[in-house]
Amino acid sequence: RKEVEQDPGPFNVPEGATVAFNCTYSNSASQSFFWYRQDCRKEPKLLMSVYSSGNEDGRFTAQLNRASQYISLLIRDSKLSDSATYLCVVNRGGRGGKLIFGQGTELSVKP
Amino acid sequence: EPEVTQTPSHQVTQMGQEVILRCVPISNHLYFYWYRQILGQKVEFLVSFYNNEISEKSEIFDDQFSVERPDGSNFTLKIRSTKLEDSAMYFCASSGPTGQGYYEQYFGPGTRLTVT
Repeated sequence: RKEVEQDPGPFNVPEGATVAFNCTYSNSASQSFFWYRQDCRKEPKLLMSVYSSGNEDGRFTAQLNRASQYISLLIRDSKLSDSATYLCVVNRGGRGGKLIFGQGTELSVKP
Repeated sequence: EPEVTQTPSHQVTQMGQEVILRCVPISNHLYFYWYRQILGQKVEFLVSFYNNEISEKSEIFDDQFSVERPDGSNFTLKIRSTKLEDSAMYFCASSGPTGQGYYEQYFGPGTRLTVT
């Protein structure tokens, strides 16, 4: 079983749509959780850290359920510029710990 | 806004040659990392570095790989004798604390290594 699993995608949505990405992780010792976005052949860029009760940043809302080992990302009012691959990322090791990446879910927002 | 920088952006080398990939982490960060991404695959951890020594390394990071912080700003990854399967994008990252006490990792733009 993969340590971090995501919806395979791709997700093709019209501008203005709401889209949700799901992610599960297998190691209950995981300590911190993140969503990164990656544009084609570019570096992962931190989108949101996912705090224990969930958090919101503008159009983006992240939720964490430690009991179910489940993380989600909701994007409201999607823009063309949101088109990218969204990476669910888990850190097991605390402050200097390595990041474990999911395979990523590709999002394509169409006019 | 501070950022991680990497050089070169693209390196082409022949099998068996040594390469050194260079990174300048964010200046007040204390933890440094190398990751790689083979085309079409997920990002994989290679090594983490703190207080001038390796904190953790993956199975990929064998004796052909080494890291160094030769001065106060640079962080390097050396591959001693490159193989075809080392062809990948190599990302450097660094981390420091946020206001909430989390440690967030920020990535450089990557070096695309092509081994022929």
